[in-house]
Amino acid sequence: DIQMTQSPSSVSASVGDRVTITCRASQGISSWLAWYQQQPGKAPKLLIYAASSLQSGVPSRFSGSGSETDFTLTISSLQPEDFATYYCQQSNAFPTTFGGGTKVEIK
Amino acid sequence: EVQLVESGGGLVQPGGSLRLSCAASGFPFSSYWMYWVRQAPGKGLVWVSRINTDGSATSDADSVKGRFTISRDNAKNTLYLQLNSLTAEDTAVYYCARFQTTVGAFDNWGQGTLVTVSS
Repeated sequence: DIQMTQSPSSVSASVGDRVTITCRASQGISSWLAWYQQQPGKAPKLLIYAASSLQSGVPSRFSGSGSETDFTLTISSLQPEDFATYYCQQSNAFPTTFGGGTKVEIK
Repeated sequence: EVQLVESGGGLVQPGGSLRLSCAASGFPFSSYWMYWVRQAPGKGLVWVSRINTDGSATSDADSVKGRFTISRDNAKNTLYLQLNSLTAEDTAVYYCARFQTTVGAFDNWGQGTLVTVSS
């Protein structure tokens, strides 16, 4: 199985900060990478697909980049509703696998 | 509006069984691959089972193979997961999710149903 490694596992930031989360795949996955946001007690929500495409309805402060093994999710200006856990997921190879998550906490 | 609503979770003893359901609406259910993804308390997301559009092909994670069975009834717009021989390690919130094959992502999720395996 392809291993997805996210870093950091947690980050403390303030409203208005720029936050970057990294996801590394154990082998090349082209652009088959998605990012999800999960609020406590809620289901995950798709933010980014195909590494850099913004899901409909998602604010433009979220952006994704990367290909093959190295990917980033950037929140350009953190808002109060963005404090959550973020997961990456690859679908280049079966089975689909998720990263371990990055918790964005209030500083 | 796309909706996925899970039901059937609860407290079950080790070795017991449960059947989870996921009622779909707002989209052509029979056109989509569907997945079950679970999340143990305080842990990350892990895929459990998947099923193709007409139910003729399924796959299960090694951790549940031979114990869980995914199925669907396209006439009823409902996805199922039969859970047998449950252990404490199966305790988790179980989500059904719609898989968008063109982009390789889960674009809609249910609210989840909690399965607790404990004596």
